[in-house]
Amino acid sequence: EVQLVESGGGLVQSGGSLRLSCAVSGFTVSANYVSWVRQAPGKGLEWVSLIYSDATTYDADSVKGRFTVSRDNSKNTVYLQMNSLTGEDTAVYYCARGPALYGDFDYWGQGTLVTVSS
Amino acid sequence: EIVLTQSPGTLSLSPGERATLSCRASQSIRSNYLAWYQQKPGQAPRPLIYGASRRATGIPDRFSGSGSGTDFTLTISRLEPEDFAVYYCQQYSSSPQISFGGGTKVEIK
Repeated sequence: EVQLVESGGGLVQSGGSLRLSCAVSGFTVSANYVSWVRQAPGKGLEWVSLIYSDATTYDADSVKGRFTVSRDNSKNTVYLQMNSLTGEDTAVYYCARGPALYGDFDYWGQGTLVTVSS
Repeated sequence: EIVLTQSPGTLSLSPGERATLSCRASQSIRSNYLAWYQQKPGQAPRPLIYGASRRATGIPDRFSGSGSGTDFTLTISRLEPEDFAVYYCQQYSSSPQISFGGGTKVEIK
C-alpha cells in the first residue's frame, strides 16, 4: 500500500524557516518523481516543487530561491526546506507522487499546515 | 505558463442529475497530460481522471473525462450524494510546467 505522510508544519514568524518531511512507503522515492503542492486557506491548489528520480529539482517562480526540495534515499523521505517565509506561504502543504506517466499526481499525503505570522 | 480556466465556478444540481465541468487551457496541452481531482473539505485531493480520459483506480464509471488540445470536460453522469465536492483540473508540460485550474464547486441545489 502506498502512503505519504507529511510532518513538520506549524506556526512560524515572517522571515523564518521551516523544514517539511514526507515519509514514503509503498514506492521508492529515488525511482519516482515527488512533488509538493500547497493550498492556501479557502483557495485552490498550487504546485510548489518537484524532485525527479535523477535528483534534478524544479520550483515554482513563487518560491524560487527560497524553497529547496531534497530527499534521503536511505529514509525514503522527501523534504521541503522553506526559508524567508511570508504570509503568502500560509497553506496546507501536500506531498504527492508525480508527475506520473500521464503528468498526473496519483498518490497524495494528508497534508501539513504551515502558518506564517507577522 | 499554461493557465487553466475552469467553469462554472459553482454548479448547483440535485442528486441524480448530470454534471458537466469545463477546463480550458491557454495553450494546447500536448499528449493530453490533463488530470482531474475531487476534493472534499479537510481532505487531500483524490485522483479521478488522468490522460484526459482514463479513470484512476477505483473511480466509478459515472465519472468520465474527454477533450483534447485546449478544451477538456469532466462529466458525472448521475450525481450521487458523495459527489458534491470541489473539482480541479491539472496539466503538465515539459520544462516542467505544472498548473491547476481554479476549481469548480458542485453543490446540492
